[in-house]
Amino acid sequence: AQTVTQSQPEMSVQEAETVTLSCTYDTSESDYYLFWYKQPPSRQMILVIRQEAYKQQNATENRFSVNFQKAAKSFSLKISDSQLGDAAMYFCAYRSLPGEMDSNYQLIWGAGTKLIIKP
Amino acid sequence: ETGVTQTPRHLVMGMTNKKSLKCEQHLGHNAMYWYKQSAKKPLELMFVYNFKEQTENNSVPSRFSPECPNSSHLFLHLHTLQPEDSALYLCASSQTRGGSNTGELFFGEGSRLTVL
Repeated sequence: AQTVTQSQPEMSVQEAETVTLSCTYDTSESDYYLFWYKQPPSRQMILVIRQEAYKQQNATENRFSVNFQKAAKSFSLKISDSQLGDAAMYFCAYRSLPGEMDSNYQLIWGAGTKLIIKP
Repeated sequence: ETGVTQTPRHLVMGMTNKKSLKCEQHLGHNAMYWYKQSAKKPLELMFVYNFKEQTENNSVPSRFSPECPNSSHLFLHLHTLQPEDSALYLCASSQTRGGSNTGELFFGEGSRLTVL
């Protein structure tokens, strides 16, 4: 069974600095999706970035980028130029590719990392 | 309207009460989910409905009873809950067919449940 581990319960960073959140996972599959979700204090979880395992290029969304190391089963999130609005819980998640009957749509979640932004 | 709406946002109930949580999605998705979120734990998937049919029930106690009358609405009926059921309950939806089937979930803001 797949597992996702976020080893940092809490991280803090100075505003405008760069921070990296760690995520490792375990799987025997070769193709899958990886996600980073953000949950601000208002609680609505939103997708930050998505990576397809078959793509070697690391995904990037504005100030957010990932370092995807498939062999090491590592999927870290880098936030550049941190802003106060980045303060939130960040969750790493794994999903198998959909099966023929669309049955593989469960996400496997990490326990989350609380990111604190210091002004 | 926002994509996924949950009501109520906060609910306090006694162990003998019966209440319901409601979720509505305006995204045209075919799958809807209930998750339980407790502090410092990964999200726990409770139920999944795909095209109104329940496809997952992750060993959830029978005191939680889901209902999905159509692809846009999802309910979680609660009765004789325990204090350990206090948590944030998140509803989500996704599209599970076609080229956009990447597994991305769209969440509501959650219903904070406190069982006394």
